[in-house]
Amino acid sequence: GQNIDQPTEMTATEGAIVQINCTYQTSGFNGLFWYQQHAGEAPTFLSYNVLDGLEEKGRFSSFLSRSKGYSYLLLKELQMKDSASYLCVVMDSNYQLIWGAGTKLIIKP
Amino acid sequence: SQTIHQWPATLVQPVGSPLSLECTVEGTSNPNLYWYRQAAGRGLQLLFYSVGIGQISSEVPQNLSASRPQDRQFILSSKKLLLSDSGFYLCAWRELAGDYNEQFFGPGTRLTVL
Repeated sequence: GQNIDQPTEMTATEGAIVQINCTYQTSGFNGLFWYQQHAGEAPTFLSYNVLDGLEEKGRFSSFLSRSKGYSYLLLKELQMKDSASYLCVVMDSNYQLIWGAGTKLIIKP
Repeated sequence: SQTIHQWPATLVQPVGSPLSLECTVEGTSNPNLYWYRQAAGRGLQLLFYSVGIGQISSEVPQNLSASRPQDRQFILSSKKLLLSDSGFYLCAWRELAGDYNEQFFGPGTRLTVL
């Protein structure tokens, strides 16, 4: 079967750095997305990785290792507005999206 | 630019009543359209997707149905709602051009079945 694993909840301090991990087992691989979802709102796109390595975009970075079926989202200089759920999503060989349950990130002052 | 609309934003319905949620997309043609449901604390569950007018693929058996009467219109329906149909319903479209296939989401409809 297809499976996405990510921690259910994480807590971090404002101004700090946090890394949210994601491991996956899917039928083929055509890329991995990270989405941010604030409570009661629709998900919004953060990043896309299809090749191994690190993609940096401002305070957010995303890393992929295809051989390990592993990705992480790194958030730097955390702000209170970063409190949200972060969804790991894998596109399989049929270009279908497999969604993780999300990691709820709580930022404390 | 592309815009996706969903309505209503919130809905409270009794068990056994019908449902109709509408999604429309502007600024793109022949999009792939998707209906997702997200239960509280859960990941997104793909319900239906459509690659064109009248073309609907169902991902899970359920008492819901979908229709695509126009290129940029996608409707989610039910004849008789169940308690388990409660959730956050999201419509999304996907553009297949470019380097990757990002999905864009509508604002969502929060459905409570009582």
